[in-house]
Amino acid sequence: DTGVSQNPRHKITKRGQNVTFRCDPISEHNRLYWYRQTLGQGPEFLTYFQNEAQLEKSRLLSDRFSAERPKGSFSTLEIQRTEQGDSAMYLCASTSGREDQPQHFGDGTRLSIL
Amino acid sequence: QKEVEQDPGPLSVPEGAIVSLNCTYSNSAFQYFMWYRQYSRKGPELLMYTYSSGNKEDGRFTAQVDKSSKYISLFIRDSQPSDSATYLCAMMGTGRRALTFGSGTRLQVQP
Repeated sequence: DTGVSQNPRHKITKRGQNVTFRCDPISEHNRLYWYRQTLGQGPEFLTYFQNEAQLEKSRLLSDRFSAERPKGSFSTLEIQRTEQGDSAMYLCASTSGREDQPQHFGDGTRLSIL
Repeated sequence: QKEVEQDPGPLSVPEGAIVSLNCTYSNSAFQYFMWYRQYSRKGPELLMYTYSSGNKEDGRFTAQVDKSSKYISLFIRDSQPSDSATYLCAMMGTGRRALTFGSGTRLQVQP
């Protein structure tokens, strides 16, 4: 069990640029989640996948955000035309999907918009 | 009003003290309750995971859930400086798979 892996750990970009983050879940976990966490707040749900299907999207996920999980393994989260308000920690979590199994988180990607 | 309320702290205690951390919630559909620990610039690390009401103990940690009062607690016995972190409560309903988090309580254990 190597844990949830996220890359890059830190991304600095100028406003208006596009950014893409990657998440590799724990192997054999079929559910994968994206959350966003701002300073002093708890994580907020963005979206989740079961295998390759995106099953739910939060209202926080504006049309500038897109997530994919093409083969049901790793996932990418892309933000287009970044804005100052996108500065946050983007966290990925995975679980086997059974209700008695909790979500395990990666260490996140910290996005800083200049 | 937020669905999950948690006192942000900071909570400062001496080493060896018993720590009590709490969350209240408003959504009666929540059935699964979790406590995560988060160190600075790291992801949340699962500490406790409970279903419905009752108590669960794991080493120095005890989680309590009172669904009738919509109140959950985490107790840490014999607190250590290494316990200094932000503690997040999280909850989930049976139909929905996303977690709803509190804002976190920052704990400082003084040596």
